[in-house]
Amino acid sequence: AAGVIQSPRHLIKEKRETATLKCYPIPRHDTVYWYQQGPGQDPQFLISFYEKMQSDKGSIPDRFSAQQFSDYHSELNMSSLELGDSALYFCASSLGQLRDRANEKLFFGSGTQLSVL
Amino acid sequence: AQKITQTQPGMFVQEKEAVTLDCTYDTSDPSYGLFWYKQPSSGEMIFLIYQGSYDQQNATEGRYSLNFQKARKSANLVISASQLGDSAMYFCAMREGVGGYNKLIFGAGTRLAVHP
Repeated sequence: AAGVIQSPRHLIKEKRETATLKCYPIPRHDTVYWYQQGPGQDPQFLISFYEKMQSDKGSIPDRFSAQQFSDYHSELNMSSLELGDSALYFCASSLGQLRDRANEKLFFGSGTQLSVL
Repeated sequence: AQKITQTQPGMFVQEKEAVTLDCTYDTSDPSYGLFWYKQPSSGEMIFLIYQGSYDQQNATEGRYSLNFQKARKSANLVISASQLGDSAMYFCAMREGVGGYNKLIFGAGTRLAVHP
């Protein structure tokens, strides 16, 4: 079965550079989430999109932006990178339900390991 | 306040034995979902099991079962017949049906080591 695809798998950047992470959700999934996981930390929610509209926003810095495109893939754009941005960035997708969304299962990609030097 | 609490930073278990990983949660939403994910050293986040707040029976998926005690707000993961490949980080997570339905909130995780 197709899974969530993230690219690139690894990314090395210098301070103050920009980075773009891509996420391709499971086919037919309409909701995409971005999470940041620092070393030894639990994943922290950044932002989510449902049907190409931003649906929720977490602890995402103003230097970061994201969007979901018409084919449901999503991109996380990160500018003015800082050393503290070094982390594993996960994208997850789910199939939105019209009613109670508590039981939507999120499926994660393998993550993009970003290292800022 | 912490929404998801995993009080065991690390756990050890002997191969073939059962192990319980603890998780308590805090929500006032009557509708919520509880999830367990496994994160091996390779880094990917693997979905294991799900329990809905209205589910009458405890969820089971192969060797994984979820001991759901609603009144105590706990959702412990039980792994039976541990295998060496079960060594990983395990995260408990919650999704609220109304207030926070757009995101999954994770606990701090428990690192499980399975010994031969």
